[in-house]
Amino acid sequence: NAGVTQTPKFQVLKTGQSMTLQCAQDMNHEYMSWYRQDPGMGLRLIHYSVGAGITDQGEVPNGYNVSRSTTEDFPLRLLSAAPSQTSVYFCASRTGDTDTQYFGPGTRLTVL
Amino acid sequence: KQEVTQIPAALSVPEGENLVLNCSFTDSAIYNLQWFRQDPGKGLTSLLLIQSSQREQTSGRLNASLDKSSGRSTLYIAASQPGDSATYLCAVMGDRGSTLGRLYFGRGTQLTVWP
Repeated sequence: NAGVTQTPKFQVLKTGQSMTLQCAQDMNHEYMSWYRQDPGMGLRLIHYSVGAGITDQGEVPNGYNVSRSTTEDFPLRLLSAAPSQTSVYFCASRTGDTDTQYFGPGTRLTVL
Repeated sequence: KQEVTQIPAALSVPEGENLVLNCSFTDSAIYNLQWFRQDPGKGLTSLLLIQSSQREQTSGRLNASLDKSSGRSTLYIAASQPGDSATYLCAVMGDRGSTLGRLYFGRGTQLTVWP
């Protein structure tokens, strides 16, 4: 049972490049979400999903896309990277029963 | 909009002290409140979850209380150890409308326990 896994751990992009941050969980959780963590800002919700095929926007969705084709995977796509997207990105999952959130180890992204 | 505040932002204490970390939130319409621990460069680990109908939860040397009506929670750490050094985050989950199921985080308290 690996829990929540994220790849890559580190990434450097140039402005305008696109990329996908991967997130997977093996706990059969219905709920998955993406957060970004910036110094002095706390974690902010980007997008979330309540099940395969269902996604919705969080607090800071602009510049990001998500899809949920399977229960296990919830990738986050940066369409055209900007320096303002430099951050640490966390993926999380939970069941509808316990509400305890399980977080991945994070992806540290730098956009030059 | 739900706002979560944590006080103090940083705390440095000698080993053995009992500690209280504070969390306050502006909207009492919450489903639950969670305390997390984050080590440098790592993800978040859930420590305690208190449902809105509960008053407190305990796990080992940790005790968390919740006063939903006043919008406050405290995390009590007994007999602190250097291994407790980390950032502690408080998060509330909304219980209605557009906030349903969403977590709102505070900025955290950075704790250092020195030997």
